[in-house]
Amino acid sequence: GENVEQHPSTLSVQEGDSAVIKCTYSDSASNYFPWYKQELGKRPQLIIDIRSNVGEKKDQRIAVTLNKTAKHFSLHITETQPEDSAVYFCAAIGGTYKYIFGTGTRLKVLA
Amino acid sequence: GAGVSQTPSNKVTEKGKYVELRCDPISGHTALYWYRQSLGQGPEFLIYFQGTGAADDSGLPNDRFFAVRPEGSVSTLKIQRTERGDSAVYLCASSSRASGGDEQFFGPGTRLTVL
Repeated sequence: GENVEQHPSTLSVQEGDSAVIKCTYSDSASNYFPWYKQELGKRPQLIIDIRSNVGEKKDQRIAVTLNKTAKHFSLHITETQPEDSAVYFCAAIGGTYKYIFGTGTRLKVLA
Repeated sequence: GAGVSQTPSNKVTEKGKYVELRCDPISGHTALYWYRQSLGQGPEFLIYFQGTGAADDSGLPNDRFFAVRPEGSVSTLKIQRTERGDSAVYLCASSSRASGGDEQFFGPGTRLTVL
């Protein structure tokens, strides 16, 4: 069945450094790839998304890249700040409208 | 406008009991999703509604789980004969379009604890 793998499960970076989180999906029909940020005890919130007809998208310090051939996509956060500390989830969706989420990456930004 | 709301925020029940979890989506959103999130895991798809009908219920773990959306707005997730393994946060999300690939807005979740 559909599957999304996410790495790493935890990531610690120094404030100001960059963070990269990678996801791989199995369903070649997937065409939409959102990234969600979830702070402790709160709801997931969309931070950026990308569609299959685009290779890269950037929004200030956050960027996402997509490699359809390899079926993987990545989240890049530059100039990290302590408030970036949270759990990040990738997801993939295809024709079934079923979102398949990765297992999450706990990002810690050390001041 | 108001976001997705869920009630109750916390529910503690005993093994074997019946529970209902409610979701109020954003007004006008036709698509509604239920997810289950266990500690340290990503949201796990349960069921998807397009309007009043369950377009995809393949994620429901077994026949103890059932969900309805009778008027195409509010949805209720029903769990019969609860088991300790049902303990998790149940998230609801809605989106504005029928087609996949549109932002989902999540509710705050209901934390279910089965003793």
